[in-house]
Amino acid sequence: AQSVAQPEDQVNVAEGNPLTVKCTYSVSGNPYLFWYVQYPNRGLQFLLKYITGDNLVKGSYGFEAEFNKSQTSFHLKKPSALVSDSALYFCAVRDPPYGGSQGNLIFGKGTKLSVKP
Amino acid sequence: NAGVTQTPKFRVLKTGQSMTLLCAQDMNHEYMYWYRQDPGMGLRLIHYSVGEGTTAKGEVPDGYNVSRLKKQNFLLGLESAAPSQTSVYFCASSYRDTTYEQYFGPGTRLTVT
Repeated sequence: AQSVAQPEDQVNVAEGNPLTVKCTYSVSGNPYLFWYVQYPNRGLQFLLKYITGDNLVKGSYGFEAEFNKSQTSFHLKKPSALVSDSALYFCAVRDPPYGGSQGNLIFGKGTKLSVKP
Repeated sequence: NAGVTQTPKFRVLKTGQSMTLLCAQDMNHEYMYWYRQDPGMGLRLIHYSVGEGTTAKGEVPDGYNVSRLKKQNFLLGLESAAPSQTSVYFCASSYRDTTYEQYFGPGTRLTVT
């Protein structure tokens, strides 16, 4: 079965330090991977996606993610964290659209990022 | 351009009552989705639609029904609410299939007592 895991419930970072939010996946075939962010009492917002091509994907608000096929990972990174980056981050993988699947997204459980001044 | 809007924002129901959640998008997107978000469980897909007049079941469809009579609207119905349906419900839309980014509404917080 296709799945995505976010091994950390919470990540704490000091403002100005680099941040990493981890995501690993299990999917047959080539993965389509996404990161979304949810600020308090808001809906999710798209950050970035990997479909094919360069393993380093750049997204909104200075975030980037590195696709690593050998480690089946898609970690979210930012060189210098801001207090305003504090939010809930979701990794998602597209369930491949064959074998009865409709190609919908499978979301991880989310990682709460807390950036302290 | 309002994006994706949801009505209502909050609702409290008693067990057995019914209600309809309305989602509207003004981006002319083909695909629309209903998710529920529960603590520690991420988002789970309830139902989705790949175009006007079509609907399909997602991961957790039991106890819910949907309709997409107009391209811009996607309705989620609870015929007989149960406490297990207490959750935050999000509607989303995408231009085409799930390789495209999804745009989410602000959510509806539903409590069933």
